[in-house]
Amino acid sequence: QKEVEQNSGPLSVPEGAIASLNCTYSDRVSQSFFWYRQYSGKSPELIMSIYSNGDKEDGRFTAQLNKASQYVSLLIRDSQPSDSATYLCAVNRDNYGQNFVFGPGTRLSVLP
Amino acid sequence: ETGVTQSPTHLIKTRGQQVTLRCSSQSGHNTVSWYQQALGQGPQFIFQYYREEENGRGNFPPRFSGLQFPNYSSELNVNALELDDSALYLCASSSGDRVYEQYFGPGTRLTVT
Repeated sequence: QKEVEQNSGPLSVPEGAIASLNCTYSDRVSQSFFWYRQYSGKSPELIMSIYSNGDKEDGRFTAQLNKASQYVSLLIRDSQPSDSATYLCAVNRDNYGQNFVFGPGTRLSVLP
Repeated sequence: ETGVTQSPTHLIKTRGQQVTLRCSSQSGHNTVSWYQQALGQGPQFIFQYYREEENGRGNFPPRFSGLQFPNYSSELNVNALELDDSALYLCASSSGDRVYEQYFGPGTRLTVT
């Protein structure tokens, strides 16, 4: 079992719809969770972090964490074509950033 | 823009050669982590430097080594290059109080032929 799993996609949604991206992780002691956006040919950009169970909202983005189910998700409301990118889920297994594990990423395509 | 810079942008090397990649961290950040990202995959952790000391290492062989300087900039050195070392090499910086919130530089694309 891989440490961090994501559907590779592509996930296609129409403009204005809600995009839902999912991630599961295997290590129960994981402490903190992140979503990065990566445009083709560019480096990852941090868009959300979440540390405790529940929802965290930032603009059009909502991160959801369920540690019991070892599941973290990212919702993008009112999706725009500019949201088309690969979304990487990352899990940190300690408080020092030394055990930072990325998933393979989900490619999102928002269709105009 | 994160304020993290990397050089060079692109590099082509031959198998068996050695390469040095450079990274300048964001102002105020004292921790630098290096990642390797192969095409179509997520970044893989190579190692982390904090206050000039290696502070954690992923599953990479010893021919991957690094340095951090007093100004917190960092180098990644790879000896005896192999074809599979072809990848995007990413540097990420973070600060001591929120070390797990990492901000990436633009990366160096290394091609080994």
